[in-house]
Amino acid sequence: EAGVAQSPRYKIIEKRQSVAFWCNPISGHATLYWYQQILGQGPKLLIQFQNNGVVDDSQLPKDRFSAERLKGVDSTLKIQPAKLEDSAVYLCASSRRTGGNSPLHFGNGTRLTVT
Amino acid sequence: AQSVTQLDSQVPVFEEAPVELRCNYSSSVSVYLFWYVQYPNQGLQLLLKYLSGSTLVKGINGFEAEFNKSQTSFHLRKPSVHISDTAEYFCAVSDGGYQKVTFGIGTKLQVIP
Repeated sequence: EAGVAQSPRYKIIEKRQSVAFWCNPISGHATLYWYQQILGQGPKLLIQFQNNGVVDDSQLPKDRFSAERLKGVDSTLKIQPAKLEDSAVYLCASSRRTGGNSPLHFGNGTRLTVT
Repeated sequence: AQSVTQLDSQVPVFEEAPVELRCNYSSSVSVYLFWYVQYPNQGLQLLLKYLSGSTLVKGINGFEAEFNKSQTSFHLRKPSVHISDTAEYFCAVSDGGYQKVTFGIGTKLQVIP
């Protein structure tokens, strides 16, 4: 099966600019996650979708970050305006179903550098 | 709230030597436990998982982990490491409900030739 696809792989922007990331999960996977991985830290959950509904966005900085999942398939994550501390790798993951025993499948991530 | 503690940020080990990467967790409910591996410039890949049953679980690439409920630990082991095992390893816990997955900060395994 095809894996989780993310684009772009790399992005460099100046602070206060906006940026968007795209994710296409594995076909048939109901649950989609966006994680932020800052250098030297573990992945931190930003938002979790079940189909096209939000399950958990408690750690999403909603004043600048937004995310949507179109028709329960693809998803986009947007940052507007970006800050220096947003420099990180943004990982998208999907799982077959919601339920703690379903492993996550990750894309290769988007490395964002904010200057 | 659940949390994961990986006690070692870096572990250097000589090739063909055994290795143990330590993970402790805390949770107020029953949990599922995972180890993921991340190679440079890649996403995370599942190594192994504990869902229920036998406390010793085997994963890919010769890795295994043991679930110890009394010590709330899930340490990862390999009897003989290879250069290709050089990567970062993440322990993760899931609460089993809406599958909120919490990751540790990772352990960098450096295999020395």
